[in-house]
Amino acid sequence: DAGVTQSPTHLIKTRGQQVTLRCSPKSGHDTVSWYQQALGQGPQFIFQYYEEEERQRGNFPDRFSGHQFPNYSSELNVNALLLGDSALYLCASSYSGTRYTFGSGTRLTVV
Amino acid sequence: GEDVEQSLFLSVREGDSSVINCTYTDSSSTYLYWYKQEPGAGLQLLTYIFSNMDMKQDQRLTVLLNKKDKHLSLRIADTQTGDSAIYFCAETPREDSSYKLIFGSGTRLLVRP
Repeated sequence: DAGVTQSPTHLIKTRGQQVTLRCSPKSGHDTVSWYQQALGQGPQFIFQYYEEEERQRGNFPDRFSGHQFPNYSSELNVNALLLGDSALYLCASSYSGTRYTFGSGTRLTVV
Repeated sequence: GEDVEQSLFLSVREGDSSVINCTYTDSSSTYLYWYKQEPGAGLQLLTYIFSNMDMKQDQRLTVLLNKKDKHLSLRIADTQTGDSAIYFCAETPREDSSYKLIFGSGTRLLVRP
């Protein structure tokens, strides 16, 4: 049983560009959350998707947007990239909104 | 405000017990979690405790919850070099029916041979 799968694993982008990160939840899970983890920090909640809608959002600007598909997979989009967006982006899935399973993350570097 | 606090660093000798501490903010949090992160990897759920419990034991791991002081601890018995990692505690605040996890900054555990 595959856990949470994220792609790509690493990504380098230039300031001002746009990026899309992808996440496939663990089998049986219907809820996907995205987190940003800066170096040396704990993960920060970006938003959560359930039933293809954004259910809750953290303190992130509108440049961060997402989508959930009917098969529960999800995308995170970031527009107009800034150097400060460089981080590890983690996807977490769950069924009941508890006991989240995390993926290995996408390391985004903005140059 | 939202602020989960942890000490930054802990060093123990192999075979000793490790105790990692955390203070959280929301007394109404229903679940509290401990995650482990190894270098370059995502987060691995180690254990969790429901807020109506005081203690939970799972093999080498013991979680203690003091709701009065909003204090959570993780004890690792017979610590091994493979336990070296960053450990995060996290809470799920119940305000506004929140679904997010709020993490501390992590405690780096170094196990010396």
